[in-house]
Amino acid sequence: GAVVSQHPSRVICKSGTSVKIECRSLDFQATTMFWYRQFPKKSLMLMATSNEGSKATYEQGVEKDKFLINHASLTLSTLTVTSAHPEDSSFYICSARDHQLNEKLFFGSGTQLSVL
Amino acid sequence: SQQGEEDPQALSIQEGENATMNCSYKTSINNLQWYRQNSGRGLVHLILIRSNEREKHSGRLRVTLDTSKKSSSLLITASRAADTASYFCATDYTGRRALTFGSGTRLQVQP
Repeated sequence: GAVVSQHPSRVICKSGTSVKIECRSLDFQATTMFWYRQFPKKSLMLMATSNEGSKATYEQGVEKDKFLINHASLTLSTLTVTSAHPEDSSFYICSARDHQLNEKLFFGSGTQLSVL
Repeated sequence: SQQGEEDPQALSIQEGENATMNCSYKTSINNLQWYRQNSGRGLVHLILIRSNEREKHSGRLRVTLDTSKKSSSLLITASRAADTASYFCATDYTGRRALTFGSGTRLQVQP
């Protein structure tokens, strides 16, 4: 089945630093990837839709200058949390659709970000 | 918000018992999907039911969909301790490429 690789799985950083999270589709091409954020014991909230070769589409209330998304190839999307602050601490999960299995989403294993 | 609601929020049962989780949503959908998440991990797709289907089975899983009530249920039969996880419904509707997730049910299966 389709595999999505996400790393790092865990990162601890100081306030003010930037953190990059990578999401790769390993055995399929993903023209679209999705970035979700999840607080403890809560649901997944869509942050943005990442489109290969074009600008990401951000959900209402998500700061695009804060959460930079780059989708430079059909297999890689990155999320950079810029100038991270403690309130950015969260679990970030990427997902992608295999265009041949269009309806299902395949998820990365998530990144737990802790900002001190 | 189009996010669905799930109930119960938490469910604790004994091994061998059945677990039922319910999901409600707010708008017309193309399909509804159920996912499982182990603590601190990504989500795993369990089953998909299309808007023109009413019931679907996969192993110990049974999903129903009532589009008139905008609701779905997930039944796990003969539960096992390994079924302990959070379960989310997710809706796929026209005009939105991303899935919209429900609030989730945390299932604890006691050995």
